[in-house]
Formats: sequence, C-alpha cells, structure tokens
Amino acid sequence: KAGVTQTPRYLIKTRGQQVTLSCSPISGHRSVSWYQQTPGQGLQFLFEYFSETQRNKGNFPGRFSGRQFSNSRSEMNVSTLELGDSALYLCASSLLGLSGANVLTFGAGSRLTVL
Amino acid sequence: KQEVTQIPAALSVPEGENLVLNCSFTDSAIYNLQWFRQDPGKGLTSLLLIQSSQREQTSGRLNASLDKSSGRSTLYIAASQPGDSATYLCAVFSGGSNYKLTFGKGTLLTVNP
Repeated sequence: KAGVTQTPRYLIKTRGQQVTLSCSPISGHRSVSWYQQTPGQGLQFLFEYFSETQRNKGNFPGRFSGRQFSNSRSEMNVSTLELGDSALYLCASSLLGLSGANVLTFGAGSRLTVL
Repeated sequence: KQEVTQIPAALSVPEGENLVLNCSFTDSAIYNLQWFRQDPGKGLTSLLLIQSSQREQTSGRLNASLDKSSGRSTLYIAASQPGDSATYLCAVFSGGSNYKLTFGKGTLLTVNP
C-alpha cells in the first residue's frame, strides 16, 4: 500500500510570508500528526488531527495551524514566517491515533527554509 | 513536563558488535514508548512499540526493554551491520488528557565495515 506522502518536499520562503504543507496519510488511517524537527530543539509535536478534529496540540504559537479534510488528508499552515521556522516538517499517520497506542508511519518530510 | 534524554549522542562501532542505546524519561506515567530510526534527510521508521504494561519487545536483531519505575528504556542491537547506521530516536507518549509524543534528540550510530 502507498505510504505517507508529503508535499512539497522542499521550499524556500522569505520572512513574513505564509506557507501551506500537505500530508496524505495511508489509506484508511484517520489520524495525522505533525512535527517540527530542528537541529537545536530536535523533534517537537505540533498537533494531531483525527476525523477532521484537532485532538491535541503542542506548545507552538498560533501562527501554526492545521486542518484535516474528509478524506483524511491534512494541511498545516504557518503564517508570518520567521527565520526560526526553518525546519523539517514531518507528518505521521496511524489507524487509531496517538492515544490508540499504534505504530506511526512517517512521511519523508517537507524541508522549509526561511530567508 | 516530560523530558526524554538519549545517551550517548553518537556511537561508532565495528561491524558485528552488539550494542545498547539508552533512553531515559522524567515522568514515569507513560502510555507507551516507541523506538524509531531516521536516515539522513528522511522521515522516521518505526522499529518497536512497547506498551506501558510490557517489559520488552523484539523484532529480528532488535530488542527493546522498558522499566517504567526507573524511567528507562534500552534498545539492544545484535550483530550490528553497516546498514544499521542511522539516528535512533525514542519517543514517549504521555500526558493524560493533554497528551503528546515527546522525542529524545537521538543517538547517531555509525557501524564501520
């Protein structure tokens, strides 16, 4: 079966712009969670969506938002980009979600560079 | 606040050696712990998931143990191979109603032929 697909894989933006990243989960998976990975902070949980509802979110400012569609595809948006938002953004899908204690399948990530 | 620490940060071993990677966490009220590997520039691959009620899980040459009371987990890799070279991360799922997945910063493993 197809894996988790993230688009775009690479993108460059300038400060103040906004960006939208997409994640298509494995067919049948209803949970999509998002993570930010930087050399300094490591991997940090952003939020999780399950059946179009945000279940939980990490400690990120309101500039970071997301949504999930009826086909389980998810998007995350970062507005008013800052240099510190440069990172690898990863999404993961799972059948039952983080609280269901099941294996997470990660996408290859979207690498965002903010100039 | 849950904090996850992985030691060592980097490890270099000759091929064939058995090795242990360590993961410690500060809040023992966890639901589960997962070990992942990450190859350069790529996403994470799940290796093993240990439920809070379990003591260990095995998959092939990998064995992960969990000691909740001491806040520790180990990943044992037997007969290491160059293809095992990657960054290994552990992640703890905890937090009650405000749950989240907390990752360690990883151990960079290099297996030399």
